[in-house]
Amino acid sequence: AQSVSQHNHHVILSEAASLELGCNYSYGGTVNLFWYVQYPGQHLQLLLKYFSGDPLVKGIKGFEAEFIKSKFSFNLRKPSVQWSDTAEYFCAVTSSSGSARQLTFGSGTQLTVLP
Amino acid sequence: EPEVTQTPSHQVTQMGQEVILRCVPISNHLYFYWYRQILGQKVEFLVSFYNNEISEKSEIFDDQFSVERPDGSNFTLKIRSTKLEDSAMYFCASRGASGGAGEQFFGPGTRLTVL
Repeated sequence: AQSVSQHNHHVILSEAASLELGCNYSYGGTVNLFWYVQYPGQHLQLLLKYFSGDPLVKGIKGFEAEFIKSKFSFNLRKPSVQWSDTAEYFCAVTSSSGSARQLTFGSGTQLTVLP
Repeated sequence: EPEVTQTPSHQVTQMGQEVILRCVPISNHLYFYWYRQILGQKVEFLVSFYNNEISEKSEIFDDQFSVERPDGSNFTLKIRSTKLEDSAMYFCASRGASGGAGEQFFGPGTRLTVL
């Protein structure tokens, strides 16, 4: 069975600080990886995804993530956060085989950016 | 921009009552999902639906749950006899037909409160 671990439950940063949120997954096969964001009062939105190719993927709003297969990790980064990045961030994984492709989510990281 | 919609936004019900949560997926999508998030816990997969039948379901999705696509646009989740532990946020998602690489788009969720 797949599982996803997000080790940081709540991260508090000042504006312009750099961000790195950890994500590790457990799965025996080939996976597709995602980061979703949920802004206050809004629905889950895709930030970025990795399917194959360049392990460094760029997403919206200046976010990027690096897939390190040997470490089963897919950490999210942003060089300089803004107050508007305050949100909950979810890492998710799906098997790359099968048609259903249901997502397995981590427990989420609440990011608070102080102005 | 097309989006997934869900109604109602909040449903309060008595234990033992039946509830139907409604979703309108993005119109040209073919894969449909229900997830739930109990307060303070992970987003969990419930069921996926493709070609008018369930393609995958989790162990949470027991005989009390059913899904239906009654009219080609709506996608419903029915809980036959609600329990206190069914209180959660329920998210609908849909995915297009671009093989496995398609992104899942999420609705805003229905908050179900069972008293």
